[in-house]
Order: sequence, then structure tokens, then C-alpha cells
Amino acid sequence: GIQVEQSPPDLILQEGANSTLRCNFSDSVNNLQWFHQNPWGQLINLFYIPSGTKQNGRLSATTVATERYSLLYISSSQTTDSGVYFCAVPPYRGSARQLTFGSGTQLTVLP
Amino acid sequence: DAGVIQSPRHEVTEMGQEVTLRCKPISGHDYLFWYRQTMMRGLELLIYFNNNVPIDDSGMPEDRFSAKMPNASFSTLKIQPSEPRDSAVYFCASSLGTGVEKLFFGSGTQLSVL
Repeated sequence: GIQVEQSPPDLILQEGANSTLRCNFSDSVNNLQWFHQNPWGQLINLFYIPSGTKQNGRLSATTVATERYSLLYISSSQTTDSGVYFCAVPPYRGSARQLTFGSGTQLTVLP
Repeated sequence: DAGVIQSPRHEVTEMGQEVTLRCKPISGHDYLFWYRQTMMRGLELLIYFNNNVPIDDSGMPEDRFSAKMPNASFSTLKIQPSEPRDSAVYFCASSLGTGVEKLFFGSGTQLSVL
């Protein structure tokens, strides 16, 4: 099946700092989504971004499908950004809806 | 909209007992998914439905697991009999049916099998 690798696995930031999270995947995809799991366990969909760039407030994401990676940018980080960030893609030769999740990046933002 | 609603939030049971988890998808969403999250295996897709019909249940770990969707607004995931290794957080999620759409998750059910 498709391989999804996220880096870094852990990241600690001071409030106000910027960060870039990376997601590499092993095959062409037509669906890529970024999620934030907050410390209470809730999974929030941040972006549906199979290609191109999108922005939502302090967060933005870019997917370069031809090079099989996606980046999530967090600017001016806040303590509420803490949690685990997952990217998810469908399996190779499977339904675009069957998302395979990466192992995540654990982000801690210190006050 | 209230989002995807799951119940119960927490379930503690003893090995061998039947466990039923419940989910109400977002109104108008045609797809419903059940995921399981563990430390060892991360987030895994168990089964998903389209218009109440199971499409792929290849992620269901054993015959002890079953899922139903009797109507567009309700689904259940049942484990019978439950085992300690079933302890995990079980998430339900839904998405619209037009093209490929964003996936929205419920708050999850934390299951502990003693």
C-alpha cells in the first residue's frame, strides 16, 4: 500500500515562532488532507489539498503532487496549536475516500 | 450543524461482553467511516458506507467486529465478544458524496476492555 511519512515526529516551539511540517507519500494521489488532533483527542480537518496552495488564517498548506509531498505551515504559533498533525492520503489503487494516515507530528507550543 | 455525534464518549467493559458504539453523521453526508486509533497502529480505517451500504470492510480486524447503517442518520459498530486488545479510541467520520470531500470526525469513543 501507499507509504506516508511525516516529519519531524516531534517539534517544540516557543509561542510566536513559525514552523513547517512535511508529509511525503510514495505514490500519486488525488486526495490529501491535513488534520489536527488537539490534546483532548478531537480530530479537526484543516485542509483538503490534493494540489496547490491554500491558506486559512495563520495556517497554510502546499501540495506538490508531482514530487509527492505536502507542507503545512504554521505562522505565529499559539499554545492552542499544540497537538498532533496528521496528513492522510488514499491507498494506491484504492478508493480516493479510503484515507491512510501518517504517524503524525507532535507539536508542543510553549508559552 | 452539530457535527458527527458519537456515543458513548467512554466505555469500560469486561472481556467477553458485547460493546455497541453509535454514530450519527452530519446531515446530508453520503459517506460514513469507522476508524480505530491505537498507539501501536495509529489511525486505521475499519469500514465505510456509501448511502447506507457497506463498501469496504477489509479493515475490520476479526469476525467479532460488525457494523451496520440502518438509515442515513445512524450507524453502529459492535464488538462481540470484546477482548482487552480491542481497547482503543473508535472514531466515526462522514463526508459529502459529491466528488472527493473533506472528512469530518466525531469526538470518538474511548473503549477500555478489562
